[in-house]
Amino acid sequence: QLQLQESGPGLVKPSETLSLTCTVSGGSISSSVNYWGWIRQPPGKGLEWIGSIYYSGSTYYNPSLKSRVTISVDTSKNQFSLKLSSVTAADTAVYYCARRGGEMYNWFDPWGQGTLVTVSS
Amino acid sequence: DIQMTQSPSSLSASVGDRVTITCRASQSISSYLNWYQHKPGKAPKLLIYAASSLQSGVPSRFSGSGSGTDFTLTISSLQPEDFATYYCQQSYSSPHTFGQGTKLEIK
Repeated sequence: QLQLQESGPGLVKPSETLSLTCTVSGGSISSSVNYWGWIRQPPGKGLEWIGSIYYSGSTYYNPSLKSRVTISVDTSKNQFSLKLSSVTAADTAVYYCARRGGEMYNWFDPWGQGTLVTVSS
Repeated sequence: DIQMTQSPSSLSASVGDRVTITCRASQSISSYLNWYQHKPGKAPKLLIYAASSLQSGVPSRFSGSGSGTDFTLTISSLQPEDFATYYCQQSYSSPHTFGQGTKLEIK
């Protein structure tokens, strides 16, 4: 059974870089069908897709965050990572990693449990 | 970006009720529409993909319909474990966008 788990600091200072890692277990991150993605949910708000990556390293990002986001993959560790630079309080959110599955039709499943990242000095 | 609008934003219902949640896309997305269930502190769970396909392991009381711009999620007979927030999401084009959510509460 595929499982994903986010890890990283729960507190980041304004203007610094948020860094999170998602560890995939129960399956290979190098599957030819899947992309892997990051999604966030600010407190009291809805879900926002941040970006996705293929095991080859090919990425695509939400234009609203593109200038600050880098997603990378480490197939040897079965992990992918998120870096979000120049953070502000508006980046405080629960961050989820998820598999983007499907071929013609795509969906996010499964998701990690999520990790709360607070931006504060 | 394609805007996804859900209605209602919140809903009170009783165990056993039939409930329908609506999602409207700002442009046609064919059947590229997914539904998720989200409970506090838990990972969101995929219920329906491609507008009407039931994800494996999801109870048959959940169903989805629609195409183009208008979609619905129906729960035929609410169970206690169904009280949660529900989100639609379009996978027609990037950026993938979600509705604002519908919070289903116990009456």
